[in-house]
Amino acid sequence: EVQLVESGGGLVQPGGSLRLSCAASGFTVSSIYMSWVRQAPGKGLEWVSFIYSGGSTYYADSVKGRFTISRDNSKNTLYLQMNSLRAEDTAVYYCARVLYGYSMDYWGQGTLVTVSS
Amino acid sequence: QSVLTQPPSVSAAPGQKVTISCSGSSSNIGNNYVSWYQQLPGTAPKLLIYDNNKRPSGIPDRFSGSKSGTSATLGITGLQTGDEADYYCGTWDSSLSVMVFGGGTKLTVL
Repeated sequence: EVQLVESGGGLVQPGGSLRLSCAASGFTVSSIYMSWVRQAPGKGLEWVSFIYSGGSTYYADSVKGRFTISRDNSKNTLYLQMNSLRAEDTAVYYCARVLYGYSMDYWGQGTLVTVSS
Repeated sequence: QSVLTQPPSVSAAPGQKVTISCSGSSSNIGNNYVSWYQQLPGTAPKLLIYDNNKRPSGIPDRFSGSKSGTSATLGITGLQTGDEADYYCGTWDSSLSVMVFGGGTKLTVL
């Protein structure tokens, strides 16, 4: 059974850093595209980043240069390193498995990141 | 302002049919697959339609998807109160090299 479990969210001050984790089971993260998507309170979905099976990475302009997506194949886990956090980064962050065609067929339960002083 | 345009809300009575539109451009919908997601209150999004018109296992055939040119449509027939949710379209934008979502449509089953 495919399962994604995020962790690492919490309260952080503006300018701070946080690393989110997404533990996968039922498939291998290195063999497929993976993504982070976020949702600010009361707002819609916003794509954050992709990592392709070959290792290429893509980012939304709003996080480029501040966020880094990566994976640990030995732990079958996806990460999102978030630096220089801003109030507008406050959101629930979801990890998702990405199919060919860019649809996301499995999502984690989400982890809340709050950036506030 | 989302790259993909959806109506903010739609409504219909139980048992009726509703459609939700998603409008884009040649760089996104026009040349890439569209997917649709259902988000019930307080839960993670769920894939309803992928590759424009395919349903994942377990999604009832009351849900359908179509695409024409730079627009896509989600159809839901036999509406149930349990269908009340936010619905999002999504696709890849080849010019921007980013994934884009619509702003979401809130479905109310009256």
